[in-house]
Amino acid sequence: AQSVSQHNHHVILSEAASLELGCNYSYGGTVNLFWYVQYPGQHLQLLLKYFSGDPLVKGIKGFEAEFIKSKFSFNLRKPSVQWSDTAEYFCAVSPNYGGSQGNLIFGKGTKLSVKP
Amino acid sequence: EPEVTQTPSHQVTQMGQEVILRCVPISNHLYFYWYRQILGQKVEFLVSFYNNEISEKSEIFDDQFSVERPDGSNFTLKIRSTKLEDSAMYFCASSDRGRSYNEQFFGPGTRLTVL
Repeated sequence: AQSVSQHNHHVILSEAASLELGCNYSYGGTVNLFWYVQYPGQHLQLLLKYFSGDPLVKGIKGFEAEFIKSKFSFNLRKPSVQWSDTAEYFCAVSPNYGGSQGNLIFGKGTKLSVKP
Repeated sequence: EPEVTQTPSHQVTQMGQEVILRCVPISNHLYFYWYRQILGQKVEFLVSFYNNEISEKSEIFDDQFSVERPDGSNFTLKIRSTKLEDSAMYFCASSDRGRSYNEQFFGPGTRLTVL
């Protein structure tokens, strides 16, 4: 069955620290990959996505992610976090097959707390 | 900026009762989705909807569930006879194109509590 694993449940960092959140997926075919973020009290919103081309994708607010096909991974990174990055981060994949309507398969989420 | 809205924000119901969760997708979007998140668990896909019919559904979306677009703006999820295990946060999402690389825009969710 298709699945997405996020390795860290809760990450606590100080401001200016670097961030890397792990995401691995299990699916035999082509996928499109997403990171969504949910700030406290807000909607899930798209941070970045990958569907083809350069495996290093840049998103909003200085985030980037790298797709490594051989490792089935799509890790999220940010060189220097800010207090305002405190949120929950969700990795998601969308299997890319004929007739797919884009349903997303989510990981469990990683809660990031940034200490000022 | 246009956004997806959902009502109510919190619904409490007795087991066996019917509930209808409402969503207003972004106005020019054509593809609609429901997801749910049981407390402490993953966000799970329930169903996608396009052109007034279900496109895909998961194993969770059994005969107790139905979706409808009763007018040009609302998109509803009905649970006919709620069970305790239906307690979850239900998210509606919409997209302008039903392609797997397209961004889905999510609503704030409805927290359903079944007693």
